[in-house]
Amino acid sequence: NAGVTQTPKFRVLKTGQSMTLLCAQDMNHEYMYWYRQDPGMGLRLIHYSVGEGTTAKGEVPDGYNVSRLKKQNFLLGLESAAPSQTSVYFCASSYSRDTLGEQYFGPGTRLTVT
Amino acid sequence: GIQVEQSPPDLILQEGANSTLRCNFSDSVNNLQWFHQNPWGQLINLFYIPSGTKQNGRLSATTVATERYSLLYISSSQTTDSGVYFCAVDETKTSYDKVIFGPGTSLSVIP
Repeated sequence: NAGVTQTPKFRVLKTGQSMTLLCAQDMNHEYMYWYRQDPGMGLRLIHYSVGEGTTAKGEVPDGYNVSRLKKQNFLLGLESAAPSQTSVYFCASSYSRDTLGEQYFGPGTRLTVT
Repeated sequence: GIQVEQSPPDLILQEGANSTLRCNFSDSVNNLQWFHQNPWGQLINLFYIPSGTKQNGRLSATTVATERYSLLYISSSQTTDSGVYFCAVDETKTSYDKVIFGPGTSLSVIP
């Protein structure tokens, strides 16, 4: 089992550029999440998905879009990157809502927007 | 919304020492988790503990939901315990998933 993987690991964007972050999990988890972590802070939930074909907003969804076309993949898109989106992005997955605590995290993607 | 506080913000320990990390939250919660983020940034789920006590090796956690706090105990600390410890709670009163992370406790274990 690879667990949760994220692609890419690092990326530098210019303001206004777009990109997609890929999260993949091989644990057959229903729930998947995207978080961002800013320096000195805990994680903040951007969007999440409770199953294939579903997505929902978290705490800080503005400026991001997501898609869950396949159960194992959760994509995070930035249509027009802004410097405020410079952050480390973590993807996570869990088996179900009731086992929210059993979250497994990817290694993170460090994004810099200049 | 719910507020999550952690104390202390920073902690330096000599290897072999014990420590207690605290997480306070301002309202009732569905779930509470403890995570360890190692110096390389990897996040590891330590405990899922909305109430009661759990132990895993040198680590144990206790959550007293009625008093709105949770404690993480680290015994016989090792240098590999260094990193940031986060607690995260899941609000009960929102109609959507809202996982709130505390600001973390940064732990350094020195040999």
